Amino acid sequence: QKEVEQDPGPLSVPEGAIVSLNCTYSNSAFQYFMWYRQYSRKGPELLMYTYSSGNKEDGRFTAQVDKSSKYISLFIRDSQPSDSATYLCAMTPYNTDKLIFGTGTRLQVFP
Amino acid sequence: ETGVTQSPTHLIKTRGQQVTLRCSSQSGHNTVSWYQQALGQGPQFIFQYYREEENGRGNFPPRFSGLQFPNYSSELNVNALELDDSALYLCASSFEQSSYNEQFFGPGTRLTVL
Repeated sequence: QKEVEQDPGPLSVPEGAIVSLNCTYSNSAFQYFMWYRQYSRKGPELLMYTYSSGNKEDGRFTAQVDKSSKYISLFIRDSQPSDSATYLCAMTPYNTDKLIFGTGTRLQVFP
Repeated sequence: ETGVTQSPTHLIKTRGQQVTLRCSSQSGHNTVSWYQQALGQGPQFIFQYYREEENGRGNFPPRFSGLQFPNYSSELNVNALELDDSALYLCASSFEQSSYNEQFFGPGTRLTVL
């Protein structure tokens, strides 16, 4: 079993939809939780990171962490065609910055 | 401020050959991490260099090795290439090696092993 599980999709939604992306994990030592966006033929780009359980909002993006359920989510409001990309969740244990990634979910937002 | 750069962009090698990939870290960053991303998968941690010393290694065989230079640029070397080594190799730089520092990724080098 992988340490981080993520549905690979693809997920196809109309412009303006609310998108929900999720990851589950098994290692309770994970302390930092990140969401990266990766466009085709590019390196991953950090969207958001959180440390504790709860919600964190940044513009149209909301990251949610539930440590008791070992479950994290990324919500994208008012999705745009430019949001079409692969979204990777990533985690690190305390006192290290070695990133453990999920498989990535491919998102397509159509006009 | 210059971002993370990697060279070459693409590379084609045959089984058994050796390859060297290069990474220039972002200005002011002293930590470089290398990741392998197979098609349709998330990146997997290979190893990290902090101030020219290897500082952590993932589940990769010894034929994957690296170097970090005094200017904090880095090389990834892979010997005895296998077909399964075909992947996108990503370099990420950060400032200091501690509990959390944002890692900035380069565009990657796509390696094809025939």
